[in-house]
Amino acid sequence: QSVLTQPPSASGTPGQRVTISCSGSSSNIGINYVYWYQQLPGTAPKLLIYRNDQRPSGVPDRFSGSKSGTSASLAISGLRSEDEADYYCAAWDDSLSGLAVFGGGTQLTVL
Amino acid sequence: QVQLQQSGPGLVKPSQTLSLTCAISGDSVSRNRASWNWIRQSPSRGLEWLGRTYYSSKWYNDYAVSVKSRMTINPDTSKNQFSLQLNSVTPEDTAVYYCARVSGEVDAFDIWGQGTMVTVSS
Repeated sequence: QSVLTQPPSASGTPGQRVTISCSGSSSNIGINYVYWYQQLPGTAPKLLIYRNDQRPSGVPDRFSGSKSGTSASLAISGLRSEDEADYYCAAWDDSLSGLAVFGGGTQLTVL
Repeated sequence: QVQLQQSGPGLVKPSQTLSLTCAISGDSVSRNRASWNWIRQSPSRGLEWLGRTYYSSKWYNDYAVSVKSRMTINPDTSKNQFSLQLNSVTPEDTAVYYCARVSGEVDAFDIWGQGTMVTVSS
């Protein structure tokens, strides 16, 4: 059972905008940054968003992150077939000596 | 370009010790403002952070409560790598194990190893 809560699945058609939610608590998302990772089949997760809404170089601006209170969201606009992947949110958790906690992941299907 | 290269056995017997190594290229295990982490992923437990080592005037280690009594992470400055040892493994420890860097610049797991599938079975 993951500390952060995500919907198990999401879907959209090419060109659409989809959002993925992530719910946490006052000890993690409520007081710390949120991060998002994309995992393609058979590969390691890749950093997509850091510090709530910052994109590493090379990540398209179609990906955006936001945070409000103890929840966060990842939005993907102009959906493309190559966006089909698993998406994970993460945060540091101050109740567990600064551990990193993850969401259970959302499998995104591009229809 | 920073890369992490993992090595270690893919099969470990129950009650034995799981040992993995993560070799670093393009960065230093002892530089400030970076930590070197182990994370595992399994269908039953999802992504689970296991522990980290980092240098800030001296070496520090932190471990997840779930594995703290069984786990050791050791940095090796001579080989610029760090290792994971997990004792007394059970089938519940079967997972893909990743090493990953957290850099102070982004405070996130920005570089990952390729992953090692470790099966605990007799």
